[in-house]
Amino acid sequence: DIQMTQSPTSLSASVGDRVTITCRASQTIIRSLNWYQQTPGKAPKLLIYATSSLHNGVPSRFTGSGSGTDFTLTISDLQPEDFAAYYCQQTYSLPFTFGPGTNVDIK
Amino acid sequence: QVHLQQSGAGLLKPSETLSLTCAVSGWAFNDYYWGWIRQPPGKGLEWIGEVHHTGSTNYTPSLKSRVSMSADTSKNQFSLRLTSVTAADTAMYYCVRGRGWPDREYDFWGQGTLVTVSS
Repeated sequence: DIQMTQSPTSLSASVGDRVTITCRASQTIIRSLNWYQQTPGKAPKLLIYATSSLHNGVPSRFTGSGSGTDFTLTISDLQPEDFAAYYCQQTYSLPFTFGPGTNVDIK
Repeated sequence: QVHLQQSGAGLLKPSETLSLTCAVSGWAFNDYYWGWIRQPPGKGLEWIGEVHHTGSTNYTPSLKSRVSMSADTSKNQFSLRLTSVTAADTAMYYCVRGRGWPDREYDFWGQGTLVTVSS
């Protein structure tokens, strides 16, 4: 199985901040990397697929980049509704594994 | 807009079989993968597996001996069955729609079903 790691595990930020979350795969996944956002008590939502493609309706302040084993999710101009947990997922190789998540909370 | 409506028992005893169904509305059932993802309380997401409308399946190896998924195209619904459950299977279970090949992204999620395994 491909192991996914994320850093940091959690971070505190303020509205308007720029936040970067890193996701690393244990082997190359080319660009088969998705990002999901989960707010407390809710189902996760797809944010970004195939490393950098924005899902329908996702604000442009979310951007994804990377390739191979290293990927990043950047949130520019953090908004109140962005305080959530973020998960990366590789879909290069079965089973499709998730990272452990990064919690973004209010400073 | 795709809507996934989950149903199934939320409280099980050890050794029983978990059975969940997800009804799909608002979009064609064919040409997609339909999957299940779970999340133990306070923990991260675990991909369980998926079923294509043709019936082909992919499962995570750690659960493969106990899991089965099926799709009923006549009813636009798909199901998860997990046998011999233990407390370790206690989790929120989500049904999802998977699109894309060979890459996949899960773009629509059900509301979740909390399954608790307790004697």
